[in-house]
Amino acid sequence: GAGVSQSPSNKVTEKGKDVELRCDPISGHTALYWYRQSLGQGLEFLIYFQGNSAPDKSGLPSDRFSAERTGGSVSTLTIQRTQQEDSAVYLCASTAFPGEAQYFGPGTRLTVL
Amino acid sequence: DQQVKQNSPSLSVQEGRISILNCDYTNSMFDYFLWYKKYPAEGPTFLISISSIKDKNEDGRFTVFLNKSAKHLSLHIVPSQPGDSAVYFCAASGNEKLTFGTGTRLTIIP
Repeated sequence: GAGVSQSPSNKVTEKGKDVELRCDPISGHTALYWYRQSLGQGLEFLIYFQGNSAPDKSGLPSDRFSAERTGGSVSTLTIQRTQQEDSAVYLCASTAFPGEAQYFGPGTRLTVL
Repeated sequence: DQQVKQNSPSLSVQEGRISILNCDYTNSMFDYFLWYKKYPAEGPTFLISISSIKDKNEDGRFTVFLNKSAKHLSLHIVPSQPGDSAVYFCAASGNEKLTFGTGTRLTIIP
């Protein structure tokens, strides 16, 4: 089957606008994670969905960030009132076994002007 | 406070020689460790992992070593090939989440 897919691959927006990033996990994977990688940095955990449990939002940097996962599959990460420091690559990963290997999508490169 | 550290941001190795990438962690509750490889404009790709009950895991040219007492793991690639040039991230698993290091850029010199 297909791997994790993300859209758009690139997004350029103006400061103050809202953006939505989409992730399609591998079919059957119950766990879905969002990360971001800023220039020269490692992968920063943002949020984790597992089945029907309440998501772990402990990594979200501010209340401008939110995410949802509909029907236990597709997830959308929303950033409201974007700031220049939100510029980064946003990566989504999924796994059938939380805590073990995660499989990543190609990422969305967000640039906030 | 960074719980997973890769202290070498970059490493250059001659083709055919051994590449050794290092990673240190601080949280003794981590029970599973992974290495990922990342090419530009792509997502990280899972490479190899090791459980905390083992001290070595080998897969072809890749071997991961774990020293729990030192809270240290390393990835050995031998022989190194030009296609191994990439950024390598180590990750540690705890509470169903992975904590990643900042990465080491490996360059294989032909």
